[in-house]
Order: sequence, then structure tokens, then C-alpha cells
Amino acid sequence: RKEVEQDPGPFNVPEGATVAFNCTYSNSASQSFFWYRQDCRKEPKLLMSVYSSGNEDGRFTAQLNRASQYISLLIRDSKLSDSATYLCVVSAGGTSYGKLTFGQGTILTVHP
Amino acid sequence: GAGVSQSPSNKVTEKGKDVELRCDPISGHTALYWYRQRLGQGLEFLIYFQGNSAPDKSGLPSDRFSAERTGESVSTLTIQRTQQEDSAVYLCASSLEYSADTQYFGPGTRLTVL
Repeated sequence: RKEVEQDPGPFNVPEGATVAFNCTYSNSASQSFFWYRQDCRKEPKLLMSVYSSGNEDGRFTAQLNRASQYISLLIRDSKLSDSATYLCVVSAGGTSYGKLTFGQGTILTVHP
Repeated sequence: GAGVSQSPSNKVTEKGKDVELRCDPISGHTALYWYRQRLGQGLEFLIYFQGNSAPDKSGLPSDRFSAERTGESVSTLTIQRTQQEDSAVYLCASSLEYSADTQYFGPGTRLTVL
């Protein structure tokens, strides 16, 4: 089993749609959680951290359920510019602090 | 300010040759990381440098892979006797010491082994 598993996608949605991505992680000792965005043939960039209380940044909402070891990302009112690969990322902390484990990524295409 | 830079951006080599990839982290970032991304795959952790501590090499896939870092600046990743399965994008990232989870990535080096 992979340490971080994501919806395989791809997701193809029209502009204005709401889309949700899911992610599960296997290491119960994981401490920090993130969503990164990666555009085609570009480097990953941090989109947002994910907290147990849930957090929102504009059209993006991230949720963490530690009991279920589940992370989600919700994008509302999708824009063409949201088209990218979304990477679920986990850090175990402790002696593994800084060693990020990435999911395979979910491809999102937003069309007119 | 300047971000993480990597060179070369592309490298094509023949099987069995050695290659060196370079990373210049963001100035002031004490932590530096190397990752590998194969086509259609997620990023795989390779190695992590933090200040003067011994590097975490737990992600290096074989003894053909090694990395060095000079102080808190430039790092080189060396792959000896390259194999076709080494073909991937090699990404470097850096971070502040106490924000190791917030990493800034360079554009990567695309390595193709023929």
C-alpha cells in the first residue's frame, strides 16, 4: 500500500463547478499535511497547509480527519487557471521532519 | 528574491556515464532536499541536508547515488553509472530550519538516460 494515496482522476469539470479531491495516508504518526499544486512540466508549489480544524483560502477549503487518516481539498467556482495536478503531501515529523511524502497527484482540467 | 535554481535544466546521457546535478538554494535557507519524479509519478524523497547535521540519506535508491552540500549553499547530486531507470526529473527544494515542512522547489533537472 502506498503511504499517500489519492483519487486517480483525471477530473474534467466546467468553469464554475465545485470539485473535491480526497487523499488517505497510512502513517498514523504523520504530523503535517499539505496540498501542493504542480503545473505541467513545472515544479510543485505549496497551495495550502491542512489543519484539523479545517481551513479555507478563498475558493479552496482543506479538511483533515486524523481518526480516518483522510485529507480533502474542495475547490469552489473552478477557474480555467485551476487546471493542474494537485498533490497530497504528508510529513511524519520527529526524526522525519522535513521528509515529505507525496501522493501520485490528481489531474484537474477545467474547461470553458 | 531569487528562488531555488538548478542546473542543467536538461541532461541527456548515455547509460553507464556519471552525471552531476546542481542546486542553489534560497539564500538563508539552511535545509535542502532532493526529490525524484518519474514520468506520471509522485515525488520520491532522496536526501535531506539540515545545517551541519549528518544528512538523511534514507531515500537514496542505490549506492550509485550520492549528494554533497557545501556549508549552507550549493548542493550536487551525483549519479554514477547511470541506468535507464534513472531517467526522471530531479527536483531540489530548500526551506528555513524551523519551517522544514514548507519547502520551495526549483524548476528541476530533466535527466534522460539513453
